[in-house]
Amino acid sequence: EAGVAQSPRYKIIEKRQSVAFWCNPISGHATLYWYQQILGQGPKLLIQFQNNGVVDDSQLPKDRFSAERLKGVDSTLKIQPAKLEDSAVYLCASSLGPAGGVGETQYFGPGTRLLVL
Amino acid sequence: AQKITQTQPGMFVQEKEAVTLDCTYDTSDQSYGLFWYKQPSSGEMIFLIYQGSYDEQNATEGRYSLNFQKARKSANLVISASQLGDSAMYFCAMREGLQTGANNLFFGTGTRLTVIP
Repeated sequence: EAGVAQSPRYKIIEKRQSVAFWCNPISGHATLYWYQQILGQGPKLLIQFQNNGVVDDSQLPKDRFSAERLKGVDSTLKIQPAKLEDSAVYLCASSLGPAGGVGETQYFGPGTRLLVL
Repeated sequence: AQKITQTQPGMFVQEKEAVTLDCTYDTSDQSYGLFWYKQPSSGEMIFLIYQGSYDEQNATEGRYSLNFQKARKSANLVISASQLGDSAMYFCAMREGLQTGANNLFFGTGTRLTVIP
């Protein structure tokens, strides 16, 4: 079974530029998550989708970050304009769903390493 | 207050020996789940083991076991017979109950394990 796919793996941009990340979850997984992992820290949830609806986006900086999951499958996370503090690894994860089970395992992709200069 | 605390920034273990990675958590929920993930230098978060708050027995998965002490709110990971490939960052994470409807994971800051030949 294919895992969570993410692209690109690496991205270097200058501040104030825009960038987009793509994620394709494990086939059949209803719930998709985007996490931000700053160097030396654990991942922090940005947004959670169940199918194509948003379950939790309370930690998403909505003035510059946006995300969508059209058709309830793959998802795109965008940053516009980027700031220096956005330098991080952006991890996508998926779970079988629906949202709510404490024992539900999330499976992560390889992440996208973003460097903002 | 931090929901997950990992007090060991780094740990060393001799190959073939056992090692314990500490994790304490903070929640007022009765229903919650505790997870351990491994993150090698490639960046992907690999699920290792899960313990539910109502599980009476400690979880085990191959060389991994979880020492769950509910009264102390600790969920330490024990790796037996360490291998060189175990060198990585290890993250403890928690998902709380169903009250909010979301099921994102709260991660600790991680412990870097180095296995010495």
